[in-house]
Amino acid sequence: DIQMTQSPSTLSASIGDRVTITCRASQSISTWLAWYQQKPGHAPNLLIYKASTLQSGVPSRFSGSGSGTEFTLTISSLQPDDFATYYCQHYNSYSPYTFGQGTKVDIK
Amino acid sequence: EVQLVESGGNLIKPGGSLRLSCVGSGFTFSNAWISWVRQAPGKGLEWVGRIKSKPDGGTTDYAAPVTGRFTISRYDSENKVFLQMNNLKTEDTAIYYCATGLFFDYWGQGTLVTVSS
Repeated sequence: DIQMTQSPSTLSASIGDRVTITCRASQSISTWLAWYQQKPGHAPNLLIYKASTLQSGVPSRFSGSGSGTEFTLTISSLQPDDFATYYCQHYNSYSPYTFGQGTKVDIK
Repeated sequence: EVQLVESGGNLIKPGGSLRLSCVGSGFTFSNAWISWVRQAPGKGLEWVGRIKSKPDGGTTDYAAPVTGRFTISRYDSENKVFLQMNNLKTEDTAIYYCATGLFFDYWGQGTLVTVSS
């Protein structure tokens, strides 16, 4: 199975900071990658799919990039509502899905 | 409005069985792929398995830790998907979510399964 590795595991940042989270796949996954945000006590929320397509309703300060084995989620200017845990996920129609282990973004 | 509602979570002893339900509304349920995702206390997300829509074959796929113990089925006439969990282990303790799509654009609120003696 494909393994997904996120870094860092925890990230401390301030309001207004530019934040970047990296996700690496153990083998090429083209652009079959999604990013989710999860806040404590809530279900995850889809932010980005197909590596760089912003889900409807998600603020434009979120962006995704990458293909193959290396991907990034960027928050251009961190807002108070963005303190949460972020997960990458490999998906496709014919094999098991895999999540990264998560990146917690907290207040510096 | 799209809604997914899970139910059936409970406290169960190791070796026991439990069936979770996921009811959907606000979308064409029969065309939807439905996955189950779980989250152990304080841990990350783990994909459990998926059932495709019947037009797409209705096939199921499972994560290695649950293969042979968990079964996903669907009952489109009632907009329901079931997760039958047998031979439960303590490491199956988690919140179980159902979610729609190839990537998960809608999620339920989750139901808690606790496996403990």
